[in-house]
Amino acid sequence: DAKTTQPPSMDCAEGRAANLPCNHSTISGNEYVYWYRQIHSQGPQYIIHGLKNNETNEMASLIITEDRKSSTLILPHATLRDTAVYYCIVTIDDKIIFGKGTRLHILP
Amino acid sequence: GAVVSQHPSRVICKSGTSVKIECRSLDFQATTMFWYRQFPKQSLMLMATSNEGSKATYEQGVEKDKFLINHASLTLSTLTVTSAHPEDSSFYICSARGGTGWYKETQYFGPGTRLLVL
Repeated sequence: DAKTTQPPSMDCAEGRAANLPCNHSTISGNEYVYWYRQIHSQGPQYIIHGLKNNETNEMASLIITEDRKSSTLILPHATLRDTAVYYCIVTIDDKIIFGKGTRLHILP
Repeated sequence: GAVVSQHPSRVICKSGTSVKIECRSLDFQATTMFWYRQFPKQSLMLMATSNEGSKATYEQGVEKDKFLINHASLTLSTLTVTSAHPEDSSFYICSARGGTGWYKETQYFGPGTRLLVL
């Protein structure tokens, strides 16, 4: 079973920031938090990952709480093409195990 | 980001035949490759992990004699579905790991292969 908990679905207006939460209360000190997304009928796409510090790349920002028990993925300006299932993952035995993720709907 | 390809993208075969799916890491050497399966409206399920030159490690409940995995080089892994049956129809996705530095443990996924067994 996945080590993370995410809301099953969220809506976000186009052009606004999408904030996707994730709980990982059992994370160990040396385990990374990974975010992937899967657009319909495609393979998962890597978004970002982090350990302790907040991270930012061209796709998104990752905010990790100080106790590392939760994180938030931020898509700064959501577009219709960001409609997908977003997976927050803490690896299990160095493997990516997918939970159910959050289905993000971008509303025009 | 790193690129992983799969071939074919979709395949239709008759029940009882075998189907081979290729997974290639195009711009990096993949020390470890993974195979997943996804049924409609479900999440991805890990089937097996393979390291180059070693036998694959299968997840509980996955038949190793039915799903043959070969990871003969650092850029190629193959999944062969032997004696395929309609219940094997699914979306098969591979991933590869083998980056460097900050991306050392990151898995990059292929586009997937849709298998339909008639």
